Amino acid sequence: GAGVSQSPRYKVTKRGQDVALRCDPISGHVSLYWYRQALGQGPEFLTYFNYEAQQDKSGLPNDRFSAERPEGSISTLTIQRTEQRDSAMYRCASSQAGGSTDTQYFGPGTRLTVL
Amino acid sequence: GEDVEQSLFLSVREGDSSVINCTYTDSSSTYLYWYKQEPGAGLQLLTYIFSNMDMKQDQRLTVLLNKKDKHLSLRIADTQTGDSAIYFCAVNADKLIFGTGTRLQVFP
Repeated sequence: GAGVSQSPRYKVTKRGQDVALRCDPISGHVSLYWYRQALGQGPEFLTYFNYEAQQDKSGLPNDRFSAERPEGSISTLTIQRTEQRDSAMYRCASSQAGGSTDTQYFGPGTRLTVL
Repeated sequence: GEDVEQSLFLSVREGDSSVINCTYTDSSSTYLYWYKQEPGAGLQLLTYIFSNMDMKQDQRLTVLLNKKDKHLSLRIADTQTGDSAIYFCAVNADKLIFGTGTRLQVFP
């Protein structure tokens, strides 16, 4: 596609529910990244993939968070048993060549609110 | 770990130059980036500089890199109201590490 897309754009859920956030990267991009951005802060790295392989998940805050990219294109970030502290903007980015120095292009983000 | 610092706010008059500053700790970063975030929009890549460069100019934008002091700056010439946004610097240390963002306010 023309750019990185994310859905839904807004998600409101009750504490304890599971949520799945979707990212559709730029067509042909090898790498896909997930970030979380709290209000008034910069984005913080969560995890990234090269093709379908998860390369680094060191930024995932705990085992309630998981991500997959089964066919090397669309990715899903899943948060189980959501808590209020999970409320944030979740941003996805993709890059072309898969190197750590490659420029990342961001989607519009999904704003998650946990009540 | 890597730390990236920015001042929180900058206010300038329309037509003046804006200079947004950033300091970082990891000297191994290969690329350093500036992103712009407008309300309701995604992060827009503005420009970037390779670590072996001192300066890069792109139309109204000038990026200066002082590797010795680990200082990066973004100068916006002839600042316009449409430049009002939050500006993030980011350094690449295997993954992107972002600063906290500088909110630029342009007044007439």
